[in-house]
Amino acid sequence: QKEVEQDPGPLSVPEGAIVSLNCTYSNSAFQYFMWYRQYSRKGPELLMYTYSSGNKEDGRFTAQVDKSSKYISLFIRDSQPSDSATYLCAMSARGGADGLTFGKGTHLIIQP
Amino acid sequence: DAGVTQSPTHLIKTRGQQVTLRCSPKSGHDTVSWYQQALGQGPQFIFQYYEEEERQRGNFPDRFSGHQFPNYSSELNVNALLLGDSALYLCASSKVWGLNEQYFGPGTRLTVT
Repeated sequence: QKEVEQDPGPLSVPEGAIVSLNCTYSNSAFQYFMWYRQYSRKGPELLMYTYSSGNKEDGRFTAQVDKSSKYISLFIRDSQPSDSATYLCAMSARGGADGLTFGKGTHLIIQP
Repeated sequence: DAGVTQSPTHLIKTRGQQVTLRCSPKSGHDTVSWYQQALGQGPQFIFQYYEEEERQRGNFPDRFSGHQFPNYSSELNVNALLLGDSALYLCASSKVWGLNEQYFGPGTRLTVT
C-alpha cells in the first residue's frame, strides 16, 4: 500500500461545476497537508496549505483535512477551463523537513 | 521577483554517463529540495539542502548527490545513469522556518538512452 493514494482520473466536469478532489493516506504521523496544481510540462504550483484537521478557504478553493479518517479534500467552486490541470496532494510529518510525500495526481478536465 | 529557476530545460544522456542539474532558489529562500517525477507519477523526494549541507534524504541511492553554494543555489548530480533515471527533476525552494511552503521550478527533463 502506498503512503498516499490519489485517483489519477481523468475527472471531466462541465464549466461552473463544483469539483471535489481527494486523497487518502496511511501514515498517521502526517500533520501538514498541501495541494499543488501542475500544468502539462510545468512545475507544481502551491495552491493551499493546511495544518492538522479542519478547513481552509482561499477564493474558489477550499481544503479539508480529516485526520481521524486519514482523508483530505480540495473543493473548487465555479470551475473554469483554466482550472484544467493535474492536482497533486502532498503531506509531511515534520513540517517539510522530511520532504513532501506526494500522491500520483488527479488529471482534471473542465469542459467549456 | 524571480521565482525558482532551473537549467537546463532538457537533457539527453547515455546510460553510464553523469549529469549535473542546476537550481537557483526564489529570492529570500535558503533551503533547496530536489524531487524526481516519473511520467504519470507524483514527485518523489530525493534530498534537501540547508546551510550547504544535506539535511534529509529520501530513498535514493548514493548515485544521486548534491551541493548547495553560499548563494543558496544548488546542484543535483547523478552518476552512472540508468534508463530508469529518465524523469522530470524538480527543484523546490523554501525558507527553513517555512518548509511546508515549497515553491517549485519548471524542472529539467532528463532522458537517458
